Parts: sequence; C-alpha cells; structure tokens
Amino acid sequence: GEEVAQTPKHLVRGEGQKAKLYCAPIKGHSYVFWYQQVLKNEFKFLISFQNENVFDETGMPKERFSAKCLPNSPCSLEIQATKLEDSAVYFCASSRPGQGRDEQYFGPGTRLTVT
Amino acid sequence: GESVGLHLPTLSVQEGDNSIINCAYSNSASDYFIWYKQESGKGPQFIIDIRSNMDKRQGQRVTVLLNKTVKHLSLQIAATQPGDSAVYFCAENIYGNNRLAFGKGNQVVVIP
Repeated sequence: GEEVAQTPKHLVRGEGQKAKLYCAPIKGHSYVFWYQQVLKNEFKFLISFQNENVFDETGMPKERFSAKCLPNSPCSLEIQATKLEDSAVYFCASSRPGQGRDEQYFGPGTRLTVT
Repeated sequence: GESVGLHLPTLSVQEGDNSIINCAYSNSASDYFIWYKQESGKGPQFIIDIRSNMDKRQGQRVTVLLNKTVKHLSLQIAATQPGDSAVYFCAENIYGNNRLAFGKGNQVVVIP
C-alpha cells in the first residue's frame, strides 16, 4: 500500500494483560521502525528492522517487549504483562532501501491504554 | 485527558504571517535532520529534511536552516495558514544508525 497501516487504532488492556500491535509498511520499503509517544510529546525509539532482521533494538525494554517482522505478514510489537507506564501511542514507520536514512513515513499510530 | 499537565511551547501566529520554530539538537555527530508536523490524532508527517553538508534548504513555503556550530535547527513557514496549526518536531539522525532522535514538540496555533 501507499501508506503505513497500523491496527488496532485503540487498544485497552488491564494491567498484566498482553497487548499486540500490528504494522503493515509501505510496499517496497525495507526498513520498519517502532516508536513510543507518551503524552503527545517526545518520541522514544524502540526497535528497527531491515526486512525480517532486527537492525537496532537498543530502545526495547527487553523484559516485556518483543517485535517481529516476518515475510508476507504484518510486523508486530507485543507487550507481555502490560504496566500503567506502557500507556502511550505506538507509531510504526517505514523507509525505502538505502540504509534507512531516507524519509521515514509514519502510520497513524495505535493508542494503548493500560488500566 | 491525555494532555493533562503537558504544556508544549506554543507559538501563536496571525494567518498570513511568517512562523519560525527553533530546535536545539544534542549530538554533534548527527548529520541528517528532519522536521515533522503532527496534527491531533495523527502520525508525524514529513515536512522537510536537510543533511549536514548544507546550511539551508527550501521547500514549498518552508525553509530549514542548520547551524552546526551551535547545534541549532530552525523551520520557517511563510504565509502561515490555518492548516499549519499542529505540533512540530525536529529529529536528528547519525550516520550508520538509522533511528531518529526526536526533540520536544513546539505547538503552532494559527489565528484566523
């Protein structure tokens, strides 16, 4: 597609429950990024993929967060045992081949609310 | 609400006037910079980018200026329109590392 697609738009989970978010990058883009935005302010980088391979995971809280980009499937970000502090909007972005240093196109985000 | 307690720096500008938004970036090794616009409920939208071998780049109604000496980036919007009302973020990128580091947002409110 011509736009990054993210589902669901909103997700509500009780503390301790699992949350799974999905992202379909723009067709032909080989880099996928996940960012977390809390309170409409700064974005925190979580992880990036080059095709199905993890490129940079330095932002991931590894104990509870995991992500995948498998061939012919949407990419996913999963949070096990969610905490209140995980409440945020999670954005996926994709970019063309070229070491990921081209413009990153962002999806509309998934708003996760942990209660 | 989601923005309780959050106060973004806000620029109020009359429609038709020019706007300037400033950003101080943190890493002197950054060599690629982008301005994004975020409207309420939406993802960041690319406005303009600049690489470190340039100090100025112009787009349609927008100009980005880069001062590497003081690690400062600015976005100028000419003839601001109501549709320019949004939160603007600068982002930096370091060669060899494709993640973006975003700065704090600046809210622009255009007064008709």
